[in-house]
Amino acid sequence: QSALAQPASVSGSPGQSVIISCTGSSSDIGGYDFVSWYQQHPGKVPKFIIYDVNSRPSGVSDRFSGSKSGNTASLTISGLQPEDEADYYCISYTTDNTVIFGGGTKLTVL
Amino acid sequence: QVQLVESGGGVVPPGKSLTLSCAASGFSFGSHAMHWIRQAPGKGLEWVTLISYDGRKKSYADSVRGRLSITRDNSKNTLYLQMNGLRPEDTGVYYCGRGPERYFDYLGHGTLLTVSS
Repeated sequence: QSALAQPASVSGSPGQSVIISCTGSSSDIGGYDFVSWYQQHPGKVPKFIIYDVNSRPSGVSDRFSGSKSGNTASLTISGLQPEDEADYYCISYTTDNTVIFGGGTKLTVL
Repeated sequence: QVQLVESGGGVVPPGKSLTLSCAASGFSFGSHAMHWIRQAPGKGLEWVTLISYDGRKKSYADSVRGRLSITRDNSKNTLYLQMNGLRPEDTGVYYCGRGPERYFDYLGHGTLLTVSS
């Protein structure tokens, strides 16, 4: 159960778009369309922002979108805003009926 | 509204046992799978375990299998995590999360466990 691979950090300027990747294997990301994403501000509880690859929970901004190709999922944040600065985590359900997290990506808004 | 309140954390010596609880309200607890997720200080999130809505199916991360056990009491709307043989690397904030099995849409505020002599 190795963690899904995410870049340690990404950055972008306000108004720009950033993409955060999340790479796994055929046993997790490639096996199901069951990838979710979470946003965590320092000292706060993680917030649920994407599920089932590209669905948004009610109340989540449409600036957040998800996609998947093969064993890699991606989170796109468009129209970057200062409040988007946070840590982002992907998860995937696996063929072992477990859940696996990515290592997390720190987004800096320049 | 959905509320999840974890409790039971504290400071525990290595090798000891502890049980965490998660009291649920604001939704039909017995209809949802539930998860435990943890976060070591300054580290990323780690999924720990999940239990099906009826308690019949459970799964665990390799790092905790055989030492931690998840249970639930649907009559009390409460989720539990029995932790045996605690290790320093079990230190962290423990969150309970509402399922389904493939994700968790609500998390509680967490309870802090410190394993230290």
